[in-house]
Amino acid sequence: DTGVSQDPRHKITKRGQNVTFRCDPISEHNRLYWYRQTLGQGPEFLTYFQNEAQLEKSRLLSDRFSAERPKGSFSTLEIQRTEQGDSAMYLCASSTAGGGGTVGLNEQFFGPGTRLTVL
Amino acid sequence: GNSVTQMEGPVTLSEEAFLTINCTYTATGYPSLFWYVQYPGEGLQLLLKATKADDKGSNKGFEATYRKETTSFHLEKGSVQVSDSAVYFCALWSSNYKLTFGKGTLLTVNP
Repeated sequence: DTGVSQDPRHKITKRGQNVTFRCDPISEHNRLYWYRQTLGQGPEFLTYFQNEAQLEKSRLLSDRFSAERPKGSFSTLEIQRTEQGDSAMYLCASSTAGGGGTVGLNEQFFGPGTRLTVL
Repeated sequence: GNSVTQMEGPVTLSEEAFLTINCTYTATGYPSLFWYVQYPGEGLQLLLKATKADDKGSNKGFEATYRKETTSFHLEKGSVQVSDSAVYFCALWSSNYKLTFGKGTLLTVNP
């Protein structure tokens, strides 16, 4: 396993279309995170899974966004009725679950991202 | 809420120059602090981290010290190389499983 992979790497779509991105985490990682990065900004948290359970969603994740991790392995992020403001890099990260005082602190390994352009 | 403010870029240095990228944070509780690096065309990579006050994180010649009194975690390197050219992100983790990032600082090192 060489790390977190994301597909596609680039996506160009027209406003109003639906798009779906896939993330394959490192195989033994049970935590998976989605972030969004717009030009000139740092990544912003979108949502987080532990195994198949989606445990937290940011207010950035409008009703048009949905994320799944059906078998606790790969995850998909779908954006319905895309808008130009959705243009961004969508990053996926994964980590193991820590224990005791370091719960949540385990290093998050990031994928290369999917760059979405909405025309 | 949590926030991270880091030095605006871009930063351009000559090879072997000294590097400082400033980072300050606002957080409740006792956050852990990180520097991530993003090389061109690649994903974010953890560069170093510190989990409590006065800890010093170090890696690949880079260092940063967790200063609680000044709420800072400045990144330093004594002698940069061309291969250090990248975008550097300061980030913090508190108790809610997510990382909060600064805006990033683009570093270009010229030979």
